[in-house]
Amino acid sequence: GENVEQHPSTLSVQEGDSAVIKCTYSDSASNYFPWYKQELGKGPQLIIDIRSNVGEKKDQRIAVTLNKTAKHFSLHITETQPEDSAVYFCAASPYGQNFVFGPGTRLSVLP
Amino acid sequence: EAGVAQSPRYKIIEKRQSVAFWCNPISGHATLYWYQQILGQGPKLLIQFQNNGVVDDSQLPKDRFSAERLKGVDSTLKIQPAKLEDSAVYLCASKEGFSQEFQYFGPGTRLLVL
Repeated sequence: GENVEQHPSTLSVQEGDSAVIKCTYSDSASNYFPWYKQELGKGPQLIIDIRSNVGEKKDQRIAVTLNKTAKHFSLHITETQPEDSAVYFCAASPYGQNFVFGPGTRLSVLP
Repeated sequence: EAGVAQSPRYKIIEKRQSVAFWCNPISGHATLYWYQQILGQGPKLLIQFQNNGVVDDSQLPKDRFSAERLKGVDSTLKIQPAKLEDSAVYLCASKEGFSQEFQYFGPGTRLLVL
């Protein structure tokens, strides 16, 4: 089955700097890759997703890149703000199958 | 649009006791999921319903966990008897149809087993 690894487990950046979180997956049949943000005491919220037929997707300050050959994808957050502090999860999903989540990255944006 | 509702938000029980969680998905969402999220880990799928039928329960510990979704709307997840290792956040999520995308999560129920 699918296995998703995520790095780093914790990340601290200064406000205004960029943050990058990387994930690798094992199943070459995976074709959908969402990213979720989980704030303390809340459920995960979808922030961006990408399909395997696209190499990059951007939404304001966040972007995701996908390298199918290497089986890895990354989340990029630019101009970080304190409200970006949260735990971020990547996930991978073969078509028609359920998500497998990574272990999460705790992002702290320092003022 | 109201989100996924879950109750209770917190529950503390002793091992070997029983506990039940409730989920009300977004109106019109046919697919409902229960996830277990152990501290420091990503959510792990326990069971998926499509309307009131089970689609995937391969990772549900059926000797102690059970779930139902009567009438294809609300769902309950039960643990009987609970073990220490069941301490986790139990998340409910729902989505509209059969596609992979746009799972909406509830706030979760935090369970502590003593």
